[in-house]
Amino acid sequence: AQSVTQLDSQVPVFEEAPVELRCNYSSSVSVYLFWYVQYPNQGLQLLLKYLSGSTLVKGINGFEAEFNKSQTSFHLRKPSVHISDTAEYFCAVSSLIQGAQKLVFGQGTRLTINP
Amino acid sequence: DADVTQTPRNRITKTGKRIMLECSQTKGHDRMYWYRQDPGLGLRLIYYSFDVKDINKGEISDGYSVSRQAQAKFSLSLESAIPNQTALYFCATSDYSTSGRSYEQYFGPGTRLTVT
Repeated sequence: AQSVTQLDSQVPVFEEAPVELRCNYSSSVSVYLFWYVQYPNQGLQLLLKYLSGSTLVKGINGFEAEFNKSQTSFHLRKPSVHISDTAEYFCAVSSLIQGAQKLVFGQGTRLTINP
Repeated sequence: DADVTQTPRNRITKTGKRIMLECSQTKGHDRMYWYRQDPGLGLRLIYYSFDVKDINKGEISDGYSVSRQAQAKFSLSLESAIPNQTALYFCATSDYSTSGRSYEQYFGPGTRLTVT
């Protein structure tokens, strides 16, 4: 079965520092990969997605992620974070499960930006 | 106006009560989903529907039922609520491509349910 592992449940960083949120997945078939962000008391919003093509994907708010097929990873990065980036981030894999395309989510990483 | 709306946004109910959570969408998508979010567990799929006549169980469907009243409406019911159903519930929609693949999902704002 497909699974997604976010290696850090919490990541504290200082404002303007770089950050990397790690995501590994397990799948033996082609996958589509996503990062969603959940700001406090809000629903999930798509940050970026990998469907095909270039392995470096750019998203909103200065985030980017790199698809690494050999390492089955899709880590999210931002070179300089802001207080407003404080949120929970979810990695997700979309793949065919029992004949239907479904999203499987990781456990989430809570990013806290300190001034 | 939001593309995916959920009502109520917050609900406190007692053990054993029946409760319905409603989801409406204006995106024109065929596919709709219900998830629950628990701290440290991410989002888990409860039920999904690929069209009005198609309802499928997700990974944690026990204790829940759904109704797809129209393309735009998908309701989740807890027939007899229990405390471990206390969670944040999200509705989502996705498009259907000619290749049969769904891509990203679009989420509602969530319903926070507390069962006492």
